[in-house]
Amino acid sequence: GAGVSQSPRYKVAKRGQDVALRCDPISGHVSLFWYQQALGQGPEFLTYFQNEAQLDKSGLPSDRFFAERPEGSVSTLKIQRTQQEDSAVYLCASSTPGTSGGVGETQYFGPGTRLLVL
Amino acid sequence: DAKTTQPTSMDCAEGRAANLPCNHSTISGNEYVYWYRQIHSQGPQYIIHGLKNNETNEMASLIITEDRKSSTLILPHATLRDTAVYYCIVRVAGGRRALTFGSGTRLQVQP
Repeated sequence: GAGVSQSPRYKVAKRGQDVALRCDPISGHVSLFWYQQALGQGPEFLTYFQNEAQLDKSGLPSDRFFAERPEGSVSTLKIQRTQQEDSAVYLCASSTPGTSGGVGETQYFGPGTRLLVL
Repeated sequence: DAKTTQPTSMDCAEGRAANLPCNHSTISGNEYVYWYRQIHSQGPQYIIHGLKNNETNEMASLIITEDRKSSTLILPHATLRDTAVYYCIVRVAGGRRALTFGSGTRLQVQP
């Protein structure tokens, strides 16, 4: 079956531009996560949705970052007034909760969107 | 979640077992050990997880020491396609759902 898809795969933005990154999770997956991965580093958590509810946004680096999942399926990560330090790969993952407390939960990752801010 | 320590890089000959260590000396009783890997230009991929018993699946085996302070991921017959960054992650059951990745171990499988 289809995995997690993300679009666009590559995005070049001029500093100050707004960008929107899309994530299509695996059908039926309740949970959706966004991560940011800087070059040469491991992914870092940004935010998490359960259905349409954003339950954790503690990783969003500034108020320029905004995520939504209005119908509990597709999600969009929006970055306003992009800065050079926003250049990174943005990864989306989806999952079902597994057993109680998320034990055994497997997060399935998309290929990411590589954002370059000039 | 407990902090993990992994070697920066390792090499392995194709066809041989790859043993990737992870230290998690501050792990608590309700924290699980997860392994993910990330092949170049792809998103991370789940491999295996465990609490205190050794675990095996079609991809790998996970050996956790009796005191749970360290673990080893074993790829029994490494292939060139196993070249990737491997992340050891400790996560508490019922806690924050986010995965906390460190820097991982870059495994290079040599022909």
